[in-house]
Amino acid sequence: QQQVRQSPQSLTVWEGETAILNCSYEDSTFDYFPWYHQFPGESPALLIAIRPVSNKKEDGRFTIFFNKREKKFSLHIADSQPGDSATYFCAASGNSNNRIFFGDGTQLVVKP
Amino acid sequence: ETAVFQTPNYHVTQVGNEVSFNCKQTLGHDTMYWYKQDSKKLLKIMFSYNNKQLIVNETVPRRFSPQSSDKAHLNLRIKSVEPEDSAVYLCASSSDWANTGQLYFGEGSKLTVL
Repeated sequence: QQQVRQSPQSLTVWEGETAILNCSYEDSTFDYFPWYHQFPGESPALLIAIRPVSNKKEDGRFTIFFNKREKKFSLHIADSQPGDSATYFCAASGNSNNRIFFGDGTQLVVKP
Repeated sequence: ETAVFQTPNYHVTQVGNEVSFNCKQTLGHDTMYWYKQDSKKLLKIMFSYNNKQLIVNETVPRRFSPQSSDKAHLNLRIKSVEPEDSAVYLCASSSDWANTGQLYFGEGSKLTVL
């Protein structure tokens, strides 16, 4: 059973629009939910993360919305820029198993 | 700024050969990992080491073997490579076993098996 599910697989938005990337998880003991981005030719890097004590985390144009009851979280990228074009991975981890589970990734393209 | 160093970054070889990838982290972290990223960008954990002790060993072919001399180094050896081993191998570290969600990745080692 896949622990973290991510959608859409690919997303194209115009510059200035808000891109919305979605994730859901299975294990209710997960307590850390990061988003990683990966630019072409580079390795993944931590972008932003949230813990269940909060339902929202902002960092500039990037915001995570977290719904513990529905076991869902999303990444909103406001005022998308062509430089945001990358693959985005959501993930979940917890102390119960000391593992991180990655989603399959969303390939985001921002058109100028 | 890179703090997880991998060598080599690229390697082309033929089926049946042996390959080794090296990884060193200068972050003072206790935990290191090897991930495989395929052509579809899927990230799959292969091994996890905590203070040079093997913690996680996912179901990978036996031709893959990790080796850790100390907590700052984690190498990966592949005996007798197969075509399906072509991928990018990513080394990563986290501060400790409790922070597995905060990973720092190396630049990757791209393996092409002809």
